[in-house]
Amino acid sequence: AQSVAQPEDQVNVAEGNPLTVKCTYSVSGNPYLFWYVQYPNRGLQFLLKYITGDNLVKGSYGFEAEFNKSQTSFHLKKPSALVSDSALYFCAVIVSGSARQLTFGSGTQLTVLP
Amino acid sequence: NAGVTQTPKFQVLKTGQSMTLQCAQDMNHEYMSWYRQDPGMGLRLIHYSVGAGITDQGEVPNGYNVSRSTTEDFPLRLLSAAPSQTSVYFCASSVQGARGDSPLHFGNGTRLTVT
Repeated sequence: AQSVAQPEDQVNVAEGNPLTVKCTYSVSGNPYLFWYVQYPNRGLQFLLKYITGDNLVKGSYGFEAEFNKSQTSFHLKKPSALVSDSALYFCAVIVSGSARQLTFGSGTQLTVLP
Repeated sequence: NAGVTQTPKFQVLKTGQSMTLQCAQDMNHEYMSWYRQDPGMGLRLIHYSVGAGITDQGEVPNGYNVSRSTTEDFPLRLLSAAPSQTSVYFCASSVQGARGDSPLHFGNGTRLTVT
């Protein structure tokens, strides 16, 4: 089985401060991990992915994520938050080489306060 | 480049009615899928297709049918709408769904209300 957990429904951060959105996963095998962002009344947009190699992955809009195999985590980070980063963020996982489909977390609403 | 186009944007149905949600992509993607999004539950996979003529069930397929006669189109049919199908529906596509490492491209969604 594969699953992903986003332990925080809501994260608030002041503009200019660093932000972290947490994600942990559970898979049998090697994971492919993704972060997506959803703005109001829009579909999800791809931010970044971890497939293999360097544990620190850089993506769109200054976001990055760190793959930690021992802690089975893939937290999303940004050094300096912008008000425009306010959105719903989803973590997703799939087992590499398997026939299973992508599994999404329940989402974390990020609010950046001016 | 339109990407993934979903129609309609909004729909209200009465219990027992049927309808088709349309999805089209112009990126020549092999893989297409339908998700429903409900508050606090993330996205759940309804059906997916790895190519024209091939479809399979996802996590929550009951009450929905799909077909894939062309690479571009992947309609989702609600056979007899129920209030439990009130949700926001997203269509998504990717280049190589079977390998799993290609990101999904999403449409803007269809908000469905069943009364």
